[in-house]
Amino acid sequence: QVQLVESGGGVVQAGRSLRLSCAASGFTFSSYAVHWVRQAPGKGLEWVAVISYDGSDKYYADSVKGRFTISRDNSENTLYLQMNSLRAEDTAVYYCARSNIVGATRPGALDIWGQGTMVIVSS
Amino acid sequence: EIVLTQSPGTLSLSPGEGATLSCRASQSVSSNYLAWYQQKPGQAPRLLIYGASSRATGVPDRFSGSGSGTDFTLTISRLESEDFAVYYCQHYGRSPKTFGQGTKVEI
Repeated sequence: QVQLVESGGGVVQAGRSLRLSCAASGFTFSSYAVHWVRQAPGKGLEWVAVISYDGSDKYYADSVKGRFTISRDNSENTLYLQMNSLRAEDTAVYYCARSNIVGATRPGALDIWGQGTMVIVSS
Repeated sequence: EIVLTQSPGTLSLSPGEGATLSCRASQSVSSNYLAWYQQKPGQAPRLLIYGASSRATGVPDRFSGSGSGTDFTLTISRLESEDFAVYYCQHYGRSPKTFGQGTKVEI
């Protein structure tokens, strides 16, 4: 079935780095833009980043710009989020999510979500 | 950046009642690129509505979305027990694709 599975979360010290992965299955991964969205404990959803279907376009929230890098490997059906210079305020569940539009004809809403991976940044 | 403000923060209702949730944008949302999501405790969000008024696959028709420009509404016609959750709006046009702060619908 169509699914996204995140991995790579854990406890990390402030200032260090961590890389999250999101494995896609059940659909043609290379045809869809994909996003990272995070949720701090007890808080709302925060959009983090998006990458186009072919990896040519990337956009970030101001809160992570310059520290986080989104990338993808379409041959491996995997999305990544490289997180550097981590801060306590980056502590959250990180979700990957698929855009509901094939290709880049127009933006899409997020129709398929993973179960999330928890990142805890200790100070 | 488009800021989305949801109201009310919490809605206390009973099963069978109707619910009206509001999402107001700080500037016009282009092409009605506005979505609504439902999130239950311990679960990932679920897409309910996209394009301001189109129901996602499998979403019951008691959920409906409306609005344009800067004012959007999610209506739940008759609340069922499984509808008690937190609801978020999101604009997904040009980046950053911000979320509202959420409305909790509680019994």
